[in-house]
Amino acid sequence: KAGVTQTPRYLIKTRGQQVTLSCSPISGHRSVSWYQQTPGQGLQFLFEYFSETQRNKGNFPGRFSGRQFSNSRSEMNVSTLELGDSALYLCASNFPGQGRDEQFFGPGTRLTVL
Amino acid sequence: AQSVTQPDIHITVSEGASLELRCNYSYGATPYLFWYVQSPGQGLQLLLKYFSGDTLVQGIKGFEAEFKRSQSSFNLRKPSVHWSDAAEYFCAVGAGTGANNLFFGTGTRLTVIP
Repeated sequence: KAGVTQTPRYLIKTRGQQVTLSCSPISGHRSVSWYQQTPGQGLQFLFEYFSETQRNKGNFPGRFSGRQFSNSRSEMNVSTLELGDSALYLCASNFPGQGRDEQFFGPGTRLTVL
Repeated sequence: AQSVTQPDIHITVSEGASLELRCNYSYGATPYLFWYVQSPGQGLQLLLKYFSGDTLVQGIKGFEAEFKRSQSSFNLRKPSVHWSDAAEYFCAVGAGTGANNLFFGTGTRLTVIP
């Protein structure tokens, strides 16, 4: 079974631009969560989507948004990029996702904001 | 609110030596606890998890962890470290039933000396 895939793997943007990252979960998984990983703040939860609905949201500004499609693929969007948005963005999937279940992580998208 | 503390930022051990990585959590109820490992350029891989039952849990790659409620700890151990264990290790606590978001510690980087 194929793992979680994320595209693109690397991305360079400039301040003020917007970016869209994509995540394809493991086949059959309906929950997709997004995390931001930075050296200063570590791993922080952004949001989770389950059956096309946002189920949980972390403490990030509204510039960070996401969505999930009927095939469970998910995208996250960051508008008006800031230097501090440079990070590794990880997505994780599982089914059905009851807190105690393992999440399967993708390799991440490395975003650099110049 | 949930939180996780990993007091050791960096640990160096010799190959073949034993290993213990510390993790302390803060959570009001019985926590869902996880240890993940991240190799350079990779996503996170689950080593083991605890949510109930036997407080000593076995994981992959020869790792084990012990849940101690009285100490709010979930330390990771391995009796004999291999060079391939060099990576970053993250302890995490789950937000609870119905919620998939994880709260991560800041990680412990493990260096293995031949």
